[in-house]
Amino acid sequence: DAKTTQPPSMDCAEGRAANLPCNHSTISGNEYVYWYRQIHSQGPQYIIHGLKNNETNEMASLIITEDRKSSTLILPHATLRDTAVYYCIVRAWTNFGNEKLTFGTGTRLTIIP
Amino acid sequence: DVKVTQSSRYLVKRTGEKVFLECVQDMDHENMFWYRQDPGLGLRLIYFSYDVKMKEKGDIPEGYSVSREKKERFSLILESASTNQTSMYLCASKAGGRGGELFFGEGSRLTVL
Repeated sequence: DAKTTQPPSMDCAEGRAANLPCNHSTISGNEYVYWYRQIHSQGPQYIIHGLKNNETNEMASLIITEDRKSSTLILPHATLRDTAVYYCIVRAWTNFGNEKLTFGTGTRLTIIP
Repeated sequence: DVKVTQSSRYLVKRTGEKVFLECVQDMDHENMFWYRQDPGLGLRLIYFSYDVKMKEKGDIPEGYSVSREKKERFSLILESASTNQTSMYLCASKAGGRGGELFFGEGSRLTVL
């Protein structure tokens, strides 16, 4: 299984860009990188995903390095509502060929007023 | 609006009791997942199901079993609850095939006394 490594916590000033790194050095060629976030007491919510090209949507941008061993989630103008735990996940496959979705411990992002 | 519904938000059970946690999704998804979430350990995959009556073990299946008799419903069973199973349990679903977004329920907080 491709594992992911994230810093346990980060702070960011309100209005600034929040850059959350993720290391996935064992990723395989056809595995996507997904980002989810979990706001206190809610279930995780999808943010964005990508394979090798950079991606952008209304919530965030995802920058994936050329060797695909790491990625960065960017929240361009962080607000207090972006305070959450952010999870980077790489999909893995079981011996039976089924998709296994394993989360790690994530990064707790705190937006400072 | 897509929905994953977990039957109980809060449960309190006694050691040795049999516990059922129910999850229902209305999106006709093939894949369903059960995770537990504990402080400092992130989300850990217990079991998942990729079709009716089909299941695979996740990373921490010990002490749990699951049932998927109908496509929309995925149950997590604690045959004999123990205090170390006190946790937040999260159910999720996604469409079949590779890729696709995971949709989570709101979680069930189980306390075993």
